[in-house]
This record gives sequence, structure tokens and C-alpha cells, in this order.
Amino acid sequence: GQSLEQPSEVTAVEGAIVQINCTYQTSGFYGLSWYQQHDGGAPTFLSYNALDGLEETGRFSSFLSRSDSYGYLLLQELQMKDSASYFCAVNQGGKLIFGQGTELSVKP
Amino acid sequence: DTGVSQDPRHKITKRGQNVTFRCDPISEHNRLYWYRQTLGQGPEFLTYFQNEAQLEKSRLLSDRFSAERPKGSFSTLEIQRTEQGDSAMYLCASTQVGDLYEQYFGPGTRLTVT
Repeated sequence: GQSLEQPSEVTAVEGAIVQINCTYQTSGFYGLSWYQQHDGGAPTFLSYNALDGLEETGRFSSFLSRSDSYGYLLLQELQMKDSASYFCAVNQGGKLIFGQGTELSVKP
Repeated sequence: DTGVSQDPRHKITKRGQNVTFRCDPISEHNRLYWYRQTLGQGPEFLTYFQNEAQLEKSRLLSDRFSAERPKGSFSTLEIQRTEQGDSAMYLCASTQVGDLYEQYFGPGTRLTVT
């Protein structure tokens, strides 16, 4: 079978740094994507790792360790607008398989 | 380009009725995906097309669900004999073959089966 595990919710304060972990067990793996979804909105792409290591895009970074079947999304200098759900998704070559999502609440 | 569009945005139907949703992808994208999302869950893969060819359909997908992309542009998703368990947000996404990891999602069609 296949499964992705993420924490269901995380709370942090404005200006802080937060890390959202994702572990996966899938048949077929080409890389790990991260998506953000605000309430009532569509998922939007944030970052992608095909190889081990860290990818940085502005305030957001994503990390992958293929040997550990593990990745994380790091959000720095948190802002209130970062309150949303965050999904990791495994690229299986033809399609994405999404985790259940982590709801991030940013407090003032 | 205005992005991925879906129609209708909301649909309320009675159990047993058939419904059809439409998705218009970003024009130059040759891959089109359908997902279903329920509250508190991630998008669940349903099926995808490359141009007009349907390349994969989820094994979890009932035979009541069918999708088409007749000319390799817009796509339709039909649900026959709807059940209350079909109530969900139906999302469409598109991308280029070389960028499968970065999909562009439409706003979704929210289906409520009463």
C-alpha cells in the first residue's frame, strides 16, 4: 500500500519558524511536492524535491531524505497569511498522492 | 491565461440523479487531473489524461464515475446515480508532462447530495 504521514495541526506565533514533517511509504517515488491551501481555496504549489537536500524559495524551504522516506517544509518569518493547510504529495511519475494535510495556525 | 476554470462551482442534487462537471485547463497544458477532496483530507486522485487519452483511473473509483477529454482540451467528469457519500469538492488540475510535480488547480466544484 501507500501512505503519507503528517501532523494534523501545528500552531506557531508570528515571526517564528515552523517545520512540517512528512514521512511516506509508496510504491514508485519520483519526488516530494508541497502545496498550500487556504480555507475555501484551491491548492497552490510551493516547492518540490526530486533529490536529497534542501530547496529554498524565499521564506519557504523544503528538505528530502530519500533513504529515510522523509521530508519537511520549513516556513520562516511566519506571517498571519501563512495560516492554511499544507500538504505533502508524492510524485509517482504519472500522478500525485497527497497526505492528509497539516493545518497551520499562526497567532499574533 | 486565466488559469484552470471549473463549472459549476456548486451543485446540489438529489440522491440517484446524474451530475456532470466541466474543467477547462490552462491552454498549453497537456496533462489534466481530477481529484476529490473531503473536509480535513488531502486531494484524492481520481483519474488523469494526457491530451485526449485517459492514462489512469483510481482503483478506488466506482464504475458510476466516468471522465472524458474528447479533444484534448476541456474535460468532463460524470457521476451517475449519485450517493450521499459522493458529497465532496471535486478539483481539476493541469500541468505539462515535464512538470508533473507542479500542478495548477482550479477552484473546484462542491457537490452536495441530499
